[in-house]
Amino acid sequence: KAGVTQTPRYLIKTRGQQVTLSCSPISGHRSVSWYQQTPGQGLQFLFEYFSETQRNKGNFPGRFSGRQFSNSRSEMNVSTLELGDSALYLCASSLDGGIYEQYFGPGTRLTVT
Amino acid sequence: KNEVEQSPQNLTAQEGEFITINCSYSVGISALHWLQQHPGGGIVSLFMLSSGKKKHGRLIATINIQEKHSSLHITASHPRDSAVYICAVWSSGSRLTFGEGTQLTVNP
Repeated sequence: KAGVTQTPRYLIKTRGQQVTLSCSPISGHRSVSWYQQTPGQGLQFLFEYFSETQRNKGNFPGRFSGRQFSNSRSEMNVSTLELGDSALYLCASSLDGGIYEQYFGPGTRLTVT
Repeated sequence: KNEVEQSPQNLTAQEGEFITINCSYSVGISALHWLQQHPGGGIVSLFMLSSGKKKHGRLIATINIQEKHSSLHITASHPRDSAVYICAVWSSGSRLTFGEGTQLTVNP
């Protein structure tokens, strides 16, 4: 089975712009979670989608949003980018959400200048 | 105080040494992950456990739910084990909360 894929792998944006990141889960997995990793804060949970519904959300401002499509692919969007949004964004898929083995993608490294 | 704390933050070992990384948590959990992250960012789940002990090759993970503590052991360490090891717990709300990670360097 193909693993979790994320596109793009690298991205440079300017402050104030918006960005959309994509995640394709392992075939058959219905849950996709998103995480942000920064040197200062470490790994933090952004949100989880299951069957096209946001089931769980972390403590991030409303500029961070996401969605999931009927084929389980997920996108996350960050509007009005700030310098502090520079981070590695990781998605992970699991079979059914909740307490299941998580399979991580390679991440998208976003740099905001 | 973080909900999940790891020690040590940095660890340097010689090839062949036995390594232990510790994780303590302050919240009630349903399960705990040990993750490995190599330079470049990719994360691999090594273990998910909710009780007892699991072993995979040279890696052993244990958890003591009463003491809210888990350990990851690496026997006969090798330079290719050099990575960041992250403890993460499933707490209320079905979300993962992560420790800060332990940077392990194994020298030949």
